Amino acid sequence: NAGVMQNPRHLVRRRGQEARLRCSPMKGHSHVYWYRQLPEEGLKFMVYLQKENIIDESGMPKERFSAEFPKEGPSILRIQQVVRGDSAAYFCASSPEHTNTIYFGEGSWLTVV
Amino acid sequence: DAKTTQPPSMDCAEGRAANLPCNHSTISGNEYVYWYRQIHSQGPQYIIHGLKNNETNEMASLIITEDRKSSTLILPHATLRDTAVYYCIVRADTSGTYKYIFGTGTRLKVLA
Repeated sequence: NAGVMQNPRHLVRRRGQEARLRCSPMKGHSHVYWYRQLPEEGLKFMVYLQKENIIDESGMPKERFSAEFPKEGPSILRIQQVVRGDSAAYFCASSPEHTNTIYFGEGSWLTVV
Repeated sequence: DAKTTQPPSMDCAEGRAANLPCNHSTISGNEYVYWYRQIHSQGPQYIIHGLKNNETNEMASLIITEDRKSSTLILPHATLRDTAVYYCIVRADTSGTYKYIFGTGTRLKVLA
């Protein structure tokens, strides 16, 4: 049973470009969470999605960031017009219906140059 | 804000038990205590969780006080590979969403 899969693992973007991070949840999981970890800091909640619905996006920056979890395919975290401050590790987690335990992927490291 | 407080760092000798404390004095009756750890440059790894009874699995034991205001994660025989940041989390349940709020955790260093 494969775990939560994230890709790319490492991404380099120039300032002003777009970054797309993908997350495939564990088999049978329909809930997805995105977290961001800045260098030497803790994990910060960004958004919680179920299939085709954003449930809680209270941790998402108001501009340039968006997330989706379509009926088919992986969840996507999209960052438009990246700036140096977006450089961080982005972790995705998933959980099945009606349970509380979430399982994390290995993360996507974004570097903005 | 995180609803838990943990010591920022701890050392433990290899082969000895590592006891990691966590205070969660404002925990609600239906909130679980979860423990995760993050080894450098990896994704957080689920360890164990509990509501009010003590729990044990192949990785660790979780001891929750009777008043549920604190808990202790026990790694019975720490190895060098247990060196990591350990997070104690009380699941925030806001409007039916399951949002885990991570604090700063305890950086455990296992010494040879």
